[in-house]
Amino acid sequence: DQQVKQNSPSLSVQEGRISILNCDYTNSMFDYFLWYKKYPAEGPTFLISISSIKDKNEDGRFTVFLNKSAKHLSLHIVPSQPGDSAVYFCAAVRFSGNTPLVFGKGTRLSVIA
Amino acid sequence: EPEVTQTPSHQVTQMGQEVILRCVPISNHLYFYWYRQILGQKVEFLVSFYNNEISEKSEIFDDQFSVERPDGSNFTLKIRSTKLEDSAMYFCASRGQTTYNEQFFGPGTRLTVL
Repeated sequence: DQQVKQNSPSLSVQEGRISILNCDYTNSMFDYFLWYKKYPAEGPTFLISISSIKDKNEDGRFTVFLNKSAKHLSLHIVPSQPGDSAVYFCAAVRFSGNTPLVFGKGTRLSVIA
Repeated sequence: EPEVTQTPSHQVTQMGQEVILRCVPISNHLYFYWYRQILGQKVEFLVSFYNNEISEKSEIFDDQFSVERPDGSNFTLKIRSTKLEDSAMYFCASRGQTTYNEQFFGPGTRLTVL
């Protein structure tokens, strides 16, 4: 039961261009979405998040867009840098006590110099 | 910057043996979690913990698993009798009251069951 889906296992982008990572979800009860970045042999690192009452959140080079009607969110990285090469996980959670994050399978981003 | 730490970084054990994975969450955090990631698969939730008790657990977290906060700083995951399929990266995470849903993850423990 994949409640959070990242359909692209990998993505290659030229340095300086825009990276767009996509995520779809099926559970309409989710009300907060997060993106995590993961390097090999490290734990996931929180990157950016968005509440379901918003459609956009921006933090420096990173912007997350949420389309609730389509149950779709995307992470834009612009300009992409070689240090952005990592696995990016989309995660979702319901506001209710101590509920866990539900992760997608991740997208491996490679930024080519 | 405060961070979640985990020990050991790598644990190798024989099938049927008990293992204890240790975590030190960020000091003022109150909510604690264990997740795991089998190689090539997604990060999966195991258990959440708050106020000295389990808040929620997944189907994976069966009777072979237990968690404990033995003192004010450590948070442990015990697997009583390991199976081959328990081989995975185990991540501890914590969050504070104000970072409402932003969980901070440790570097993980790689568990290899032979």
